[in-house]
Amino acid sequence: DTEVTQTPKHLVMGMTNKKSLKCEQHMGHRAMYWYKQKAKKPPELMFVYSYEKLSINESVPSRFSPECPNSSLLNLHLHALQPEDSALYLCASSQGLREGSYEQYFGPGTRLTVT
Amino acid sequence: SQQGEEDPQALSIQEGENATMNCSYKTSINNLQWYRQNSGRGLVHLILIRSNEREKHSGRLRVTLDTSKKSSSLLITASRAADTASYFCATDAASGGYQKVTFGTGTKLQVIP
Repeated sequence: DTEVTQTPKHLVMGMTNKKSLKCEQHMGHRAMYWYKQKAKKPPELMFVYSYEKLSINESVPSRFSPECPNSSLLNLHLHALQPEDSALYLCASSQGLREGSYEQYFGPGTRLTVT
Repeated sequence: SQQGEEDPQALSIQEGENATMNCSYKTSINNLQWYRQNSGRGLVHLILIRSNEREKHSGRLRVTLDTSKKSSSLLITASRAADTASYFCATDAASGGYQKVTFGTGTKLQVIP
C-alpha cells in the first residue's frame, strides 16, 4: 500500500472554529510532513515529524498545532485561523529523514477555506 | 527563500513534442528530485538524482544535473495530453541535522492534443 490518505477533502471553517486535519499512511514510513500550498505556488514546509517526534517547525503560527499519535497518523489541529490561512494542506511521508533524502509520498490534500 | 527557481513558468506544446523544464538552485545539495502535480492534487515523485550523478532516465523522462552551474533539467519526450500538470524540482539541504526538502517555483506544462 503506497497511499497516503487525508481527511477531509474539503473544509470550510469560521475564524472561531476548532477543526483538525488527519493524515494516515501504512507504508512503515518514519517521517511525516505537513505542507501548505497557496494557489499557483509551490508547497511550503510547515512541520516534520521523525519517529513520532517533531523535528522541524518552520516558524508556523501557534494557531496550527501538529500531533503525531503514532507512526501511521499525523494530525493538524486548527484554531482561530485567519482568511489568509485558506490553502491546500498536503501531508506527505518518507522512509526517513536523518538518513538522507528519500522520495516523499503525498496525500491528495485538504482544501481549507477560512471564512 | 525558495531553494529552486524554475523556468519557464509555463509551457504549452503539442502532443508528441518534447518538453524541457529547467531548475536552478542556490546552495550545495545532496540530491535533487522532480515531482509532478495535477491541478489541486497531491504531488507525485518522478525521479531523484544524486549530486554525484549527471544524468538519469526513467521511461520518457530524462533528468540532468550540473552541480557546477547549480542547475537541473527535466526532459519529457513524446509528450501526451496526460502529461499536462505542474512540475516542481525539489532540493535538499542540511537543517539542524536533518535533510530538509524545499520545492522550486514550478513549471506549468500544457500538452495540447
